[in-house]
Amino acid sequence: SQKIEQNSEALNIQEGKTATLTCNYTNYSPAYLQWYRQDPGRGPVFLLLIRENEKEKRKERLKVTFDTTLKQSLFHITASQPADSATYLCALPVSGSARQLTFGSGTQLTVLP
Amino acid sequence: GAGVSQSPSNKVTEKGKDVELRCDPISGHTALYWYRQSLGQGLEFLIYFQGNSAPDKSGLPSDRFSAERTGGSVSTLTIQRTQQEDSAVYLCASTPDSGGGRGYTFGSGTRLTVV
Repeated sequence: SQKIEQNSEALNIQEGKTATLTCNYTNYSPAYLQWYRQDPGRGPVFLLLIRENEKEKRKERLKVTFDTTLKQSLFHITASQPADSATYLCALPVSGSARQLTFGSGTQLTVLP
Repeated sequence: GAGVSQSPSNKVTEKGKDVELRCDPISGHTALYWYRQSLGQGLEFLIYFQGNSAPDKSGLPSDRFSAERTGGSVSTLTIQRTQQEDSAVYLCASTPDSGGGRGYTFGSGTRLTVV
Protein backbone atom coordinates (compact mmCIF):
# COMPACT_ATOMS: atom_id res chain seq x y z
CA SER A 1 0.00 0.00 0.00
CA GLN A 2 1.04 3.62 -0.46
CA LYS A 3 3.07 5.03 2.38
CA ILE A 4 4.44 8.51 3.11
CA GLU A 5 7.12 9.21 5.70
CA GLN A 6 8.33 12.61 6.86
CA ASN A 7 11.58 13.00 8.73
CA SER A 8 11.46 13.17 12.49
CA GLU A 9 8.55 14.56 14.36
CA ALA A 10 10.32 17.81 15.27
CA LEU A 11 13.16 19.86 13.85
CA ASN A 12 14.78 22.79 15.66
CA ILE A 13 17.10 25.17 13.83
CA GLN A 14 18.67 28.55 14.47
CA GLU A 15 17.28 31.67 12.83
CA GLY A 16 19.01 32.44 9.55
CA LYS A 17 19.91 28.83 8.81
CA THR A 18 18.38 26.66 6.10
CA ALA A 19 15.76 24.16 7.21
CA THR A 20 15.53 20.96 5.21
CA LEU A 21 12.53 18.67 5.57
CA THR A 22 12.23 15.27 3.94
CA CYS A 23 9.27 13.42 2.49
CA ASN A 24 9.73 9.82 1.37
CA TYR A 25 7.11 7.66 -0.26
CA THR A 26 6.82 4.04 -1.28
CA ASN A 27 4.77 1.80 -3.51
CA TYR A 28 3.62 4.27 -6.09
CA SER A 29 4.62 6.84 -8.67
CA PRO A 30 2.77 10.11 -8.11
CA ALA A 31 2.28 12.62 -10.90
CA TYR A 32 2.95 15.44 -8.47
CA LEU A 33 3.68 16.24 -4.85
CA GLN A 34 2.46 19.12 -2.69
CA TRP A 35 3.70 20.82 0.47
CA TYR A 36 1.49 22.49 3.06
CA ARG A 37 2.06 24.53 6.19
CA GLN A 38 -0.14 24.06 9.25
CA ASP A 39 -0.23 26.37 12.25
CA PRO A 40 -1.82 25.32 15.57
CA GLY A 41 -5.60 25.47 15.47
CA ARG A 42 -5.68 26.13 11.74
CA GLY A 43 -6.18 24.08 8.60
CA PRO A 44 -3.20 23.35 6.33
CA VAL A 45 -2.24 26.05 3.84
CA PHE A 46 -1.03 25.08 0.37
CA LEU A 47 2.54 26.22 -0.37
CA LEU A 48 3.97 24.54 -3.45
CA LEU A 49 3.31 21.85 -6.01
CA ILE A 50 6.01 20.06 -7.97
CA ARG A 51 5.29 17.71 -10.86
CA GLU A 52 7.09 14.47 -11.65
CA ASN A 53 8.89 16.02 -14.63
CA GLU A 54 10.22 18.91 -12.54
CA LYS A 55 13.41 18.55 -10.54
CA GLU A 56 13.09 21.75 -8.55
CA LYS A 57 10.55 24.48 -7.79
CA ARG A 58 11.16 27.77 -5.98
CA LYS A 59 8.93 30.33 -4.33
CA GLU A 60 10.57 33.18 -2.45
CA ARG A 61 12.62 31.53 0.35
CA LEU A 62 11.14 28.09 -0.34
CA LYS A 63 12.65 25.42 -2.57
CA VAL A 64 11.28 21.97 -3.27
CA THR A 65 13.02 19.12 -5.06
CA PHE A 66 11.44 15.93 -6.35
CA ASP A 67 13.54 12.84 -7.04
CA THR A 68 11.29 10.17 -8.54
CA THR A 69 14.14 7.64 -8.55
CA LEU A 70 14.77 8.01 -4.82
CA LYS A 71 11.03 8.52 -4.23
CA GLN A 72 11.83 11.56 -2.16
CA SER A 73 11.05 15.24 -1.95
CA LEU A 74 13.13 17.77 -0.03
CA PHE A 75 11.61 21.03 1.23
CA HIS A 76 14.05 23.83 2.03
CA ILE A 77 13.43 27.13 3.80
CA THR A 78 16.41 29.44 3.41
CA ALA A 79 17.21 32.30 5.80
CA SER A 80 14.70 30.85 8.22
CA GLN A 81 12.78 33.10 10.60
CA PRO A 82 10.87 32.40 13.82
CA ALA A 83 7.67 33.08 11.84
CA ASP A 84 8.46 29.97 9.78
CA SER A 85 7.81 27.83 12.85
CA ALA A 86 4.93 25.50 12.00
CA THR A 87 4.18 21.93 10.97
CA TYR A 88 4.91 21.15 7.35
CA LEU A 89 3.03 18.40 5.54
CA CYS A 90 3.73 16.73 2.25
CA ALA A 91 0.87 15.29 0.23
CA LEU A 92 0.60 13.06 -2.82
CA PRO A 93 -2.31 12.02 -4.99
CA VAL A 94 -3.88 8.72 -4.14
CA SER A 95 -3.09 6.12 -6.78
CA GLY A 96 -5.85 6.16 -9.37
CA SER A 97 -7.18 9.56 -8.35
CA ALA A 98 -6.27 12.89 -9.93
CA ARG A 99 -7.42 14.96 -6.98
CA GLN A 100 -7.70 12.99 -3.76
CA LEU A 101 -4.60 13.49 -1.62
CA THR A 102 -2.95 11.44 1.06
CA PHE A 103 -0.94 13.40 3.62
CA GLY A 104 2.18 12.68 5.60
CA SER A 105 2.05 13.10 9.37
CA GLY A 106 4.14 16.26 9.17
CA THR A 107 7.36 17.67 10.55
CA GLN A 108 7.14 20.29 13.28
CA LEU A 109 9.70 22.99 12.61
CA THR A 110 10.83 25.44 15.28
CA VAL A 111 13.11 28.30 14.31
CA LEU A 112 14.92 29.60 17.36
CA PRO A 113 15.74 33.33 17.59
CA GLY B 1 -17.03 33.39 0.12
CA ALA B 2 -13.38 34.26 0.27
CA GLY B 3 -12.38 31.07 2.00
CA VAL B 4 -13.69 27.71 3.22
CA SER B 5 -15.94 28.23 6.21
CA GLN B 6 -16.61 25.55 8.80
CA SER B 7 -19.02 25.59 11.70
CA PRO B 8 -19.07 25.20 14.57
CA SER B 9 -15.42 25.84 15.34
CA ASN B 10 -15.72 23.80 18.52
CA LYS B 11 -18.24 21.19 19.55
CA VAL B 12 -18.44 19.28 22.81
CA THR B 13 -20.96 16.49 22.85
CA GLU B 14 -21.91 13.63 25.07
CA LYS B 15 -21.15 10.09 24.03
CA GLY B 16 -24.07 8.63 22.11
CA LYS B 17 -25.37 11.94 20.76
CA ASP B 18 -25.49 12.82 17.06
CA VAL B 19 -23.55 15.79 15.69
CA GLU B 20 -23.61 17.72 12.43
CA LEU B 21 -20.61 19.57 11.09
CA ARG B 22 -20.99 22.10 8.32
CA CYS B 23 -18.67 23.14 5.50
CA ASP B 24 -19.22 26.04 3.13
CA PRO B 25 -16.63 25.79 0.32
CA ILE B 26 -15.26 28.53 -1.88
CA SER B 27 -17.89 29.65 -4.36
CA GLY B 28 -17.43 27.84 -7.66
CA HIS B 29 -15.30 25.05 -6.27
CA THR B 30 -16.86 21.80 -7.36
CA ALA B 31 -14.64 19.39 -5.43
CA LEU B 32 -15.09 19.12 -1.65
CA TYR B 33 -13.18 16.91 0.78
CA TRP B 34 -13.55 15.94 4.41
CA TYR B 35 -10.55 14.85 6.47
CA ARG B 36 -10.06 14.36 10.17
CA GLN B 37 -6.96 14.93 12.23
CA SER B 38 -6.51 13.34 15.61
CA LEU B 39 -4.14 14.88 18.14
CA GLY B 40 -0.59 14.63 16.85
CA GLN B 41 -1.67 12.57 13.85
CA GLY B 42 -1.78 13.13 10.13
CA LEU B 43 -4.84 13.87 8.08
CA GLU B 44 -7.18 10.94 7.53
CA PHE B 45 -9.35 11.05 4.40
CA LEU B 46 -13.07 10.61 4.99
CA ILE B 47 -15.10 11.49 1.90
CA TYR B 48 -14.83 13.35 -1.42
CA PHE B 49 -17.51 15.05 -3.52
CA GLN B 50 -16.94 16.03 -7.15
CA GLY B 51 -19.74 17.90 -8.89
CA ASN B 52 -22.78 15.71 -9.44
CA SER B 53 -20.84 12.44 -9.31
CA ALA B 54 -21.42 9.88 -6.60
CA PRO B 55 -19.20 10.71 -3.64
CA ASP B 56 -16.14 8.63 -2.77
CA LYS B 57 -17.01 7.37 0.71
CA SER B 58 -14.10 4.97 0.99
CA GLY B 59 -12.58 6.74 3.99
CA LEU B 60 -15.62 6.79 6.26
CA PRO B 61 -14.61 4.74 9.34
CA SER B 62 -18.04 3.29 10.11
CA ASP B 63 -21.69 3.48 9.13
CA ARG B 64 -22.18 6.02 11.91
CA PHE B 65 -20.56 8.55 9.59
CA SER B 66 -22.37 10.07 6.64
CA ALA B 67 -22.11 13.21 4.56
CA GLU B 68 -24.13 15.03 2.00
CA ARG B 69 -23.63 17.98 -0.25
CA THR B 70 -26.67 19.97 -1.22
CA GLY B 71 -26.86 21.94 -4.46
CA GLY B 72 -23.21 21.32 -5.15
CA SER B 73 -22.20 23.73 -2.42
CA VAL B 74 -22.61 23.35 1.33
CA SER B 75 -21.74 19.99 2.85
CA THR B 76 -22.78 18.44 6.15
CA LEU B 77 -20.88 15.65 7.89
CA THR B 78 -23.05 13.75 10.35
CA ILE B 79 -21.76 11.47 13.07
CA GLN B 80 -24.40 9.37 14.78
CA ARG B 81 -24.09 7.88 18.26
CA THR B 82 -20.74 9.57 18.83
CA GLN B 83 -17.94 7.69 20.55
CA GLN B 84 -14.91 9.04 22.38
CA GLU B 85 -12.64 7.86 19.55
CA ASP B 86 -14.50 10.26 17.25
CA SER B 87 -12.84 13.17 19.06
CA ALA B 88 -10.67 14.95 16.50
CA VAL B 89 -10.46 18.03 14.32
CA TYR B 90 -12.64 17.64 11.25
CA LEU B 91 -11.27 19.56 8.27
CA CYS B 92 -13.02 20.44 5.06
CA ALA B 93 -11.25 21.51 1.86
CA SER B 94 -12.29 22.49 -1.63
CA THR B 95 -10.69 22.80 -5.07
CA PRO B 96 -11.91 24.07 -8.42
CA ASP B 97 -12.80 21.53 -11.07
CA SER B 98 -9.75 22.06 -13.21
CA GLY B 99 -7.96 18.79 -13.05
CA GLY B 100 -5.51 17.31 -10.65
CA GLY B 101 -2.70 19.11 -8.95
CA ARG B 102 -4.49 22.14 -7.60
CA GLY B 103 -3.75 22.88 -3.98
CA TYR B 104 -6.51 22.34 -1.48
CA THR B 105 -7.99 25.29 0.37
CA PHE B 106 -8.81 24.14 3.88
CA GLY B 107 -11.14 25.58 6.46
CA SER B 108 -10.01 26.04 10.04
CA GLY B 109 -11.79 22.88 11.09
CA THR B 110 -14.28 21.82 13.72
CA ARG B 111 -12.75 20.52 16.92
CA LEU B 112 -15.05 17.77 18.16
CA THR B 113 -14.75 16.53 21.72
CA VAL B 114 -16.87 13.59 22.82
CA VAL B 115 -17.16 13.31 26.60
